[in-house]
Amino acid sequence: GAVVSQHPSRVICKSGTSVKIECRSLDFQATTMFWYRQFPKQSLMLMATSNEGSKATYEQGVEKDKFLINHASLTLSTLTVTSAHPEDSSFYICSARDRRLSVTGELFFGEGSRLTVL
Amino acid sequence: AQSVTQLGSHVSVSEGALVLLRCNYSSSVPPYLFWYVQYPNQGLQLLLKYTTGATLVKGINGFEAEFKKSETSFHLTKPSAHMSDAAEYFCAVSALNAGGTSYGKLTFGQGTILTVHP
Repeated sequence: GAVVSQHPSRVICKSGTSVKIECRSLDFQATTMFWYRQFPKQSLMLMATSNEGSKATYEQGVEKDKFLINHASLTLSTLTVTSAHPEDSSFYICSARDRRLSVTGELFFGEGSRLTVL
Repeated sequence: AQSVTQLGSHVSVSEGALVLLRCNYSSSVPPYLFWYVQYPNQGLQLLLKYTTGATLVKGINGFEAEFKKSETSFHLTKPSAHMSDAAEYFCAVSALNAGGTSYGKLTFGQGTILTVHP
């Protein structure tokens, strides 16, 4: 099956610093990637849709200047949490859509990245 | 707009017993439907999906689900629970455009935590 790799799996940073999370599709091309945030014991909340070569589309209530998304190639999208604060601590999960399976909308998920801001 | 409701945030069964996780959806047109499983501190893994054709779909690890349009349901079942099935399960729907292809965005239910007792 298709593999999506997310890195780092865990990161601890100081308040005010920026953190970058990478999401790579290892064996397929992903024209679209999605970034989700998951709070403890809750479902996934879609943050933004990342399209290769264009600006990301953010969901309502998500600050685009705080959560910078770049999708520079068909296999890589990055999420940068800028000026992180403790309330940004969360589990961030990326998913990728295989362009060959675009009809069904099936997504493949990364392993997730747990961010802890001190 | 579409939505997904998973009845029961926690389900507990004995090893060897039937597993039934309920999912109902709301959509203006029949969507594509998915079940994902999430183990602690990990991303989501696709269990099974319904797009078109046979309404009873079989997935990995012995799980299956039946799409019932009249009931707008997509319940997940497994005849005999195993300890390794303990995890959180998410039902998701993918909206379709007028051409019958998926937008790619998934809407997730709230999740159901499955506990399996010896």
